[in-house]
Amino acid sequence: EVQLVESGGGLVQPGGSLRLSCAVSGFAVSSNYVSWVRQAPGKGLEWVSVIYSAGSTYYADSVKGRFTISRDKPKNTVSLQMNSLRAEDTAVYYCARVSWEAGYGMDVWGLGTTVIVSS
Amino acid sequence: EIVLTQSPGTLSLSPGERATLSCRASQSVSSSFLAWYQQKPGQAPRLLIYGASSRATGIPDRFSGSGSGTEFTLTISRLEPEDFAVYYCQQYGSSPMYSFGQGTKLEIK
Repeated sequence: EVQLVESGGGLVQPGGSLRLSCAVSGFAVSSNYVSWVRQAPGKGLEWVSVIYSAGSTYYADSVKGRFTISRDKPKNTVSLQMNSLRAEDTAVYYCARVSWEAGYGMDVWGLGTTVIVSS
Repeated sequence: EIVLTQSPGTLSLSPGERATLSCRASQSVSSSFLAWYQQKPGQAPRLLIYGASSRATGIPDRFSGSGSGTEFTLTISRLEPEDFAVYYCQQYGSSPMYSFGQGTKLEIK
C-alpha cells in the first residue's frame, strides 16, 4: 500500500528552524517525485517544493532560500528543512507523491503535519 | 508566472443538480498537466482529474473534466451529498513549477 506520513511539525518562534519529515512506504523516493504542499488556516493550497527522481529540486518563490528539500534513499524519506521561519509559514504541511502516470498530478497524500510560527 | 483563477468562489446547489466549476489560467497551460482536486474539511486533498480530462483511480464517472489552453472546467453531473467540498485546479510545468487555484467551495443549498 502506498502511504506517506509526515512528522516534525510544532510550535516555533519567528526566525527559528524546523525540519519536517515524510516517511514513504509502497514506492521508492529514489525513483519518484515527492512534493510538499501547505495550507494556511482557512486558506487554499500552496505548493512549496518538489524533489525529482534525478535529484533536481524546485521551490516556490515564497520559500526559496529559506527551505531545503532533500531525501534519504535508504530510509525512504523526504525532508523539508525550514529556516528563518515567519508567521506566514504557519500552515498544515502535506507531502504528496507526484505521479507521471497521472500527468504529474499528486495522487497520494499524507495526512499533514502542523507548523505554527509564533512568539 | 502562471496564475490560476477559479470561479465561482462559492457554488450553492442541491443534491441531484449539475455543478460546473471553472479554472482560468493567465497563460496557456498544457492540457496534459492540468489537474483537479477535492478537499473535505480536516482531510488531505484527493486527486480527481489529471490531464484535464482523465479520472484518477476510483473516481466516479459523474466527475468529468474538459478544456484546453487557458479555460478548464470540472463538471459533476449529479451531485451526491458527499460531493460538497472545496475543489482546486492545479497546473504543472510552468513557473512556478506547480500552482493551485484559490479554490471553489461547493456548498449545499
